[in-house]
Amino acid sequence: GNSVTQMEGPVTLSEEAFLTINCTYTATGYPSLFWYVQYPGEGLQLLLKATKADDKGSNKGFEATYRKETTSFHLEKGSVQVSDSAVYFCALILMDSSYKLIFGSGTRLLVRP
Amino acid sequence: GAVVSQHPSWVICKSGTSVKIECRSLDFQATTMFWYRQFPKQSLMLMATSNEGSKATYEQGVEKDKFLINHASLTLSTLTVTSAHPEDSSFYICSARDGAGYTDTQYFGPGTRLTVL
Repeated sequence: GNSVTQMEGPVTLSEEAFLTINCTYTATGYPSLFWYVQYPGEGLQLLLKATKADDKGSNKGFEATYRKETTSFHLEKGSVQVSDSAVYFCALILMDSSYKLIFGSGTRLLVRP
Repeated sequence: GAVVSQHPSWVICKSGTSVKIECRSLDFQATTMFWYRQFPKQSLMLMATSNEGSKATYEQGVEKDKFLINHASLTLSTLTVTSAHPEDSSFYICSARDGAGYTDTQYFGPGTRLTVL
C-alpha cells in the first residue's frame, strides 16, 4: 500500500543548528512528494514539493531531494531559526484520479534561542 | 496566489445543534476539495473528497449523514456537522486542488476549531 513514515519528534535544536527530518515512503508508481508546515493553531502551508526522481524542492532555506533509490524525501535546513518551530508533515499524492494526499505522522520541531 | 479561506475560524456550540463550516478558494477554481479532521498532536485524517456538482466521497468509517458536504460551486465547499456531540470537537481543515490544467498540489485553509459543549 501507500504510506509515509517520518521520524518521531519532538526534535529540539538550538538556533543556527542544522536540521534533518527523515521521511521515507512506499508507493505505487512515482508520486509527487511534499513537505507541509503547520504553525500552532493554523492550517497547513506548502513548504516545498518535488515531482520526479532527483528533483530538489527548496523554499525559505529548506531543501528536500526526491530519492527514488532510497524512497526518501528528507527535509534539511542549514541554520534553523526560532521562527521555524512548527510541525512538519511529509506527504505523497496518490497517482490515481483521487488526488488524495497520504501524510506522515508529523514531526514537531522546537528551536531554542 | 492559491489562497484558501475557512469560516468560521472557531465555533462553540451546544450538543445537538448543527454547525456549518465554509471553505473557499479565493483566487482559483477548485474542482476538488478535501475535508480533514485533526486531533491534538496528530496527523490529518481525510474525511471526504468533494467534487463540484457531484456527491462527496467519504472515507471508510466517516458517517455521511453526520458530516454533510456540499460543493455547490467551483470556489465553495461546505461541511455541516449535524447534531454535534462533544466527541465531534476537533480541528477541521479543508484543502483545494487547483482545477486549471494538471496540478497535483493541494492548498490548505487555516482550519476551523469546533468545540461542542
